[in-house]
Amino acid sequence: DIQMTQSPSSLSASVGDRVTITCRASQSITHYLNWYQQKPGKAPKVVIYAASSLQRGVPSRFSGSGSGTDFTLTISNLQPEDFATYYCQQSYSTPYTFGQGTNLEIK
Amino acid sequence: QVQLQESGPRLVKPSETLSLTCTVSGASISSHYWSWIRQLAGKELEWIGRIYASESANYNPSLKSRVTMSTDTSKNQFSLNLTSVTAADTAVYYCAREVAVAGLDTWGQGTLVTVSS
Repeated sequence: DIQMTQSPSSLSASVGDRVTITCRASQSITHYLNWYQQKPGKAPKVVIYAASSLQRGVPSRFSGSGSGTDFTLTISNLQPEDFATYYCQQSYSTPYTFGQGTNLEIK
Repeated sequence: QVQLQESGPRLVKPSETLSLTCTVSGASISSHYWSWIRQLAGKELEWIGRIYASESANYNPSLKSRVTMSTDTSKNQFSLNLTSVTAADTAVYYCAREVAVAGLDTWGQGTLVTVSS
């Protein structure tokens, strides 16, 4: 299985800040990396797919980059609705695997 | 608008079989891969497997000996059976649609299944 390692596991930030979450794969997954946002009691929602493509309806302050084994999710100008848990997921090969999550909290 | 809805028993006894169904609206079950994912108490997400129009299924090797997935095209549903459950299988179970390259783009709301006597 491909292991996905996210960092940090938790992050405190303020409205208006810019934050970056990283995800590392245990082997190359080319660009098959997706980012999900999950709020309490809700299902995950894809925000970035294929490493850098913005899902329809997601604000442009979300961006993704990377290829191979190292990826980043950046959120600029944090808004109150962005505070949530974020997961990366590789869709390069089955079994698909997720990172352990990053809990983005309000400072 | 594509919508998915999980249904099935919320309480299952140890050693019995967990059975869930996902009803799809707004899209045909004959297109795309359809997945099951679970979220354990510690918030870890675990991909259980996926099925494509009953033609092929891929299961997580960690659960493969206990998992079976199937589709019912007449009802536009797909299902999950997980046998010989233990307390470790207690989780929120989600069904989701996989779109090529775009990941798991649509999810059900999730259903908490508790394994307990």
